[in-house]
Amino acid sequence: AQRVTQPEKLLSVFKGAPVELKCNYSYSGSPELFWYVQYSRQRLQLLLRHISRESIKGFTADLNKGETSFHLKKPFAQEEDSAMYYCALKGRIQGAQKLVFGQGTRLTINP
Amino acid sequence: DAGVIQSPRHEVTEMGQEVTLRCKPISGHDYLFWYRQTMMRGLELLIYFNNNVPIDDSGMPEDRFSAKMPNASFSTLKIQPSEPRDSAVYFCASSFTAQETQYFGPGTRLLVL
Repeated sequence: AQRVTQPEKLLSVFKGAPVELKCNYSYSGSPELFWYVQYSRQRLQLLLRHISRESIKGFTADLNKGETSFHLKKPFAQEEDSAMYYCALKGRIQGAQKLVFGQGTRLTINP
Repeated sequence: DAGVIQSPRHEVTEMGQEVTLRCKPISGHDYLFWYRQTMMRGLELLIYFNNNVPIDDSGMPEDRFSAKMPNASFSTLKIQPSEPRDSAVYFCASSFTAQETQYFGPGTRLLVL
């Protein structure tokens, strides 16, 4: 079954510390993986996608097909990074292209 | 462009009442998606449309839920009758193609008492 798992519902780190938000997936084909972010009082927006291989706001994520993971990392957390983060998988599921989300991780950066 | 527009932003209703949520996608986007967000289940895809035609409604929880897209600039998600367990945030999103990035609306926070 196609599934995205974010094992941590809550994650709290201090400003300047490294942060890693975990994401594991299960999918029978070649998935496309994304990270979405929702800042307080703002709409959900795309943060980055694995095919872009780019760093956005200091965040990077590497697709590890062997471990079926797509963890989001940032070496030095900033207070403005506090938000809800969703890992998502896009693939053909039951004949249709779908975006499947994890349950989300609420990241809090402490000053 | 104002992005995806949803209304109302908040809705409080009593069990048994009909609820209608509205969405205006970004102009030119051919795909429209309805999602539901709850603490327990996170974000779930309910249904999506391509060129106003429903493509996949397998995520619609039960017959009390229905969605329509009468034209390219408007979609509704209706719950009739509503139940307390329908309380959630409902998001609408749109994209140019199935492969392109989905842009989300601000969501409608629904509370059924």
